[in-house]
Amino acid sequence: YELTQPPSVSVSPGQTARIACSGDVLSKQFPYWYQQKPGQAPVLVIFKDGERPSGIPERFSGSSSGTTVTLTISGVQAEDEADYYCQVADIIDTSVTFGGGTKLTVL
Amino acid sequence: EVQLVESGGGSVQPGGSLRLSCAASGFTFSYYWMSWVRQAPGKGLEWVANIIQDGSEKSYVNSHLDSPKGRFTISRDNAKNSLYLQMNSLRGEDTAVYYCARFSSGRDGFDFWGQGTLVTVSS
Repeated sequence: YELTQPPSVSVSPGQTARIACSGDVLSKQFPYWYQQKPGQAPVLVIFKDGERPSGIPERFSGSSSGTTVTLTISGVQAEDEADYYCQVADIIDTSVTFGGGTKLTVL
Repeated sequence: EVQLVESGGGSVQPGGSLRLSCAASGFTFSYYWMSWVRQAPGKGLEWVANIIQDGSEKSYVNSHLDSPKGRFTISRDNAKNSLYLQMNSLRGEDTAVYYCARFSSGRDGFDFWGQGTLVTVSS
């Protein structure tokens, strides 16, 4: 599998950030999304069909259209500045693919 | 509270070996697939290996000639709630932070991560 993300996205506080993840596999499978702040481990923010783990703010959501999935962060806050990665897994052989990551900058 | 704590990282010369460990707590370790994911300095995340609940099935990244497959071995000890990664014939390109991660019950992503342990391969 191959997943493509834009290297960077910039938004001002309070605006909506949209981070895209593209790949043929996404027409059949919803990716996981991770947030990674500098020097920290990744944290799961969205999984399956746009579900949020407990503790993840409601401003994080996911949507899908064809072979592109979008992580949307509504009302972006300074604390949302981080790298974001999408990821899928092959259910049969359990191999895992990450997108290249998108650096979200809050201006 | 789920906790994953890695250890065993450090500096090693090219061609050397290291064994990473991950101590799991806060959940029934034997119920889950487990994984190692690495991140080279300034780079993105790269999946390394997965292991099934009883250790009988393992999968490794195999995307290119420099792949860890054949040099790395994932294993686990459910009695000790521990995950391991034996790394042999280490190369400079193996320099990375290595994360232990719990593979979700749906086997489609990672729901918990450790803080990582740094492996530096350099002469």
